[in-house]
Amino acid sequence: DAGVIQSPRHEVTEMGQEVTLRCKPISGHNSLFWYRQTMMRGLELLIYFNNNVPIDDSGMPEDRFSAKMPNASFSTLKIQPSEPRDSAVYFCASSFSAANEKLFFGSGTQLSVL
Amino acid sequence: AQSVTQLDSHVSVSEGTPVLLRCNYSSSYSPSLFWYVQHPNKGLQLLLKYTSAATLVKGINGFEAEFKKSETSFHLTKPSAHMSDAAEYFCVVSAGYSTLTFGKGTMLLVSP
Repeated sequence: DAGVIQSPRHEVTEMGQEVTLRCKPISGHNSLFWYRQTMMRGLELLIYFNNNVPIDDSGMPEDRFSAKMPNASFSTLKIQPSEPRDSAVYFCASSFSAANEKLFFGSGTQLSVL
Repeated sequence: AQSVTQLDSHVSVSEGTPVLLRCNYSSSYSPSLFWYVQHPNKGLQLLLKYTSAATLVKGINGFEAEFKKSETSFHLTKPSAHMSDAAEYFCVVSAGYSTLTFGKGTMLLVSP
């Protein structure tokens, strides 16, 4: 298996633009997580899905952020409209189950909002 | 509720000397504890995991960690540092059915 695949690796956009980050989890994993990493806040859980259903989105900063998982092999994280403070590295991770399990991380998307 | 505190934001060692990265946790239930490593421009990778079996856990690349309930600690150690160990290390706690809570990370710097 190729592991968790994220795209794009880097995204540079202007304030106000829509940004879509993509993730393909490891085949057979039931849970998918979106994290944001910044120097100030470290690694924050934004949202996680179990069997394609959003379980906890309490970490999503505001309504500008949305995430979907239309099937077991694909998820998106969308920011609309984007703001400079959204600049961060966004990681997707997957696991066999949501709790107490080993997470497999993608390589991340470095987002810069100018 | 659960939380984790990594006591040092940066640790500097010389190649060949021991490594100690400190972590304290709090949790309402018996915790699972993890250490992850992140090399530059890469995702996080699991080093080791404790889940109420042996209190001394051995991981990859010669790292190990000891669970001490009385001290609520889960420090990461390695007898001899390599240059390739230079990375950021995250201590992680999970308890009950909650998802993982990550520490702020400790940057390990290894000098020749």
